[in-house]
Amino acid sequence: IAGITQAPTSQILAAGRRMTLRCTQDMRHNAMYWYRQDLGLGLRLIHYSNTAGTTGKGEVPDGYSVSRANTDDFPLTLASAVPSQTSVYFCASSETSGSTDTQYFGPGTRLTVL
Amino acid sequence: GQNIDQPTEMTATEGAIVQINCTYQTSGFNGLFWYQQHAGEAPTFLSYNVLDGLEEKGRFSSFLSRSKGYSYLLLKELQMKDSASYLCAVDDDYKLSFGAGTTVTVRA
Repeated sequence: IAGITQAPTSQILAAGRRMTLRCTQDMRHNAMYWYRQDLGLGLRLIHYSNTAGTTGKGEVPDGYSVSRANTDDFPLTLASAVPSQTSVYFCASSETSGSTDTQYFGPGTRLTVL
Repeated sequence: GQNIDQPTEMTATEGAIVQINCTYQTSGFNGLFWYQQHAGEAPTFLSYNVLDGLEEKGRFSSFLSRSKGYSYLLLKELQMKDSASYLCAVDDDYKLSFGAGTTVTVRA
């Protein structure tokens, strides 16, 4: 079944550790996104990629980095995790970055930084 | 910056109608989306509006007024499975800005 997968499902991480959240889609979508979702704040865009080989900063990029080596994968790295990065992280993709294209979301990764 | 407001919570009875309002002030506008998100799950697409007016899709309808910076999602014939959060999102510069979401609880 086509869709987006994320790994891990959940993770507890010590502050200062490095962590990579994985995201893979098999829909051959050009655009991919990373969001974090916090209670009362809604979804906030961290980084995005309009096509393989390009990335851009969203609303809350500090402390995060991404890469887009190919169409299918869009990993999110926390170089040195801090407690304020405790959140639920969602990866999403859309056929293009055009305004009419629906974004499809992965199941999310629940990250706790202690 | 973006400012997207929607009520935090709403409660309604099974079989009733509920209207979730969303007001927005954004620097640009390329369309407005509504997503549904059940607890512990991913958001899923419900509707998209770019022109003024009402878009009807089964029990769900979405309305947009660009001049007023206003949208609403109308849920008719409520069912227990409609208990979820409903997210309003504005496409500004080809990126989505989300409201905090409205949690709808359907009671028997």
